[in-house]
Amino acid sequence: DSGVTQTPKHLITATGQRVTLRCSPRSGDLSVYWYQQSLDQGLQFLIQYYNGEERAKGNILERFSAQQFPDLHSELNLSSLELGDSALYFCASSLRGSGYTDTQYFGPGTRLTVL
Amino acid sequence: GESVGLHLPTLSVQEGDNSIINCAYSNSASDYFIWYKQESGKGPQFIIDIRSNMDKRQGQRVTVLLNKTVKHLSLQIAATQPGDSAVYFCAEATGNQFYFGTGTSLTVIP
Repeated sequence: DSGVTQTPKHLITATGQRVTLRCSPRSGDLSVYWYQQSLDQGLQFLIQYYNGEERAKGNILERFSAQQFPDLHSELNLSSLELGDSALYFCASSLRGSGYTDTQYFGPGTRLTVL
Repeated sequence: GESVGLHLPTLSVQEGDNSIINCAYSNSASDYFIWYKQESGKGPQFIIDIRSNMDKRQGQRVTVLLNKTVKHLSLQIAATQPGDSAVYFCAEATGNQFYFGTGTSLTVIP
């Protein structure tokens, strides 16, 4: 158990809908990362937050947005969902939010299925 | 985006043997490399990392080798155990941008 929690575990929805994925980082970690893992593209970095502020952006679509709240939990919002958005979404947290030797601990993921 | 690729998508080894998983990266400016292990149904788990100013780093039963000349990274697992069966990803980082390979599936044969 990494100490990172994600809810829900599974989510099934229809195209065009909007969903919210939630992540609680490990106690004491200030930074949260979101990743998308699909079969054909592997693990893709989406976005990083540090202490409530966006720090780095990866391959995140405009239909997706995220935020980190004062209590450090984070939410990833996915809107106008398409079939291709079906994937595992992972959240990771780290202490300092800096790449060097700042180990990221991953949550168990949310499996999103868009029908 | 960056290109981080793995040479072999699958690898089978006998229990007790050593395993070597390889990874090629394309960005010579990458300054930090990480290996992750992902078991079925779980999130990736950090194994070991290395900075670009090093060429070797050892952990418990694992060693990471970095060859910047040919932009190649490898993970060596000593005395492979059934619990090592998983998908292994390498990742490269430039600043706070992380790029992951698609993974190598390691199967340990008892």
